[in-house]
Amino acid sequence: NAGVTQTPKFQVLKTGQSMTLQCAQDMNHNSMYWYRQDPGMGLRLIYYSASEGTTDKGEVPNGYNVSRLNKREFSLRLESAAPSQTSVYFCASKFEARGVDNSPLHFGNGTRLTVT
Amino acid sequence: EDKVVQSPLSLVVHEGDTVTLNCSYEVTNFRSLLWYKQEKKAPTFLFMLTSSGIEKKSGRLSSILDKKELSSILNITATQTGDSAIYLCAGISNFGNEKLTFGTGTRLTIIP
Repeated sequence: NAGVTQTPKFQVLKTGQSMTLQCAQDMNHNSMYWYRQDPGMGLRLIYYSASEGTTDKGEVPNGYNVSRLNKREFSLRLESAAPSQTSVYFCASKFEARGVDNSPLHFGNGTRLTVT
Repeated sequence: EDKVVQSPLSLVVHEGDTVTLNCSYEVTNFRSLLWYKQEKKAPTFLFMLTSSGIEKKSGRLSSILDKKELSSILNITATQTGDSAIYLCAGISNFGNEKLTFGTGTRLTIIP
């Protein structure tokens, strides 16, 4: 099993350019997440999706949009990139069900984005 | 606002030493605490702790949750250079979609 696959691994954008980060999981998980990781800030939640067709804002959603295309895929779009969006972006997924122990988050290998 | 604080921020020890990493949390309607190890890429899961006082163990690593003190520790005995990594803890809230709040991590460096 591939687990959680993110593309691309690296990207450099100029301010104002747009791009979409792709994420796919093959573990039949219902919940998917996008985090960004910055030095000294830890992992911060951008958006999450509890199931196909639903998305919700996390802690730092401004400047981003997401699409839960189907159960497997959850994409993150930057419409007009800014230097403040320079970061490492992680996609993650997990199985969630009320009344049972949570499964842990499974992470992709990250996308390192630089906005100049 | 939920908060998770880890200490120390960084730690440098010699191979063979034992280390203790700390995590304290303020999470509304707390459900569980997770520990992850992050080397160069994706964080990898170590432990999930839900019940207070029950130690979880995996080889040289162990962890325990103290719900009274709102904290957890991660112990690593007989450290090896392969233990060098950032160790992250995260608290899970039972509200809504069980979102995780991560600490900033402890960077552990093991000197041969």
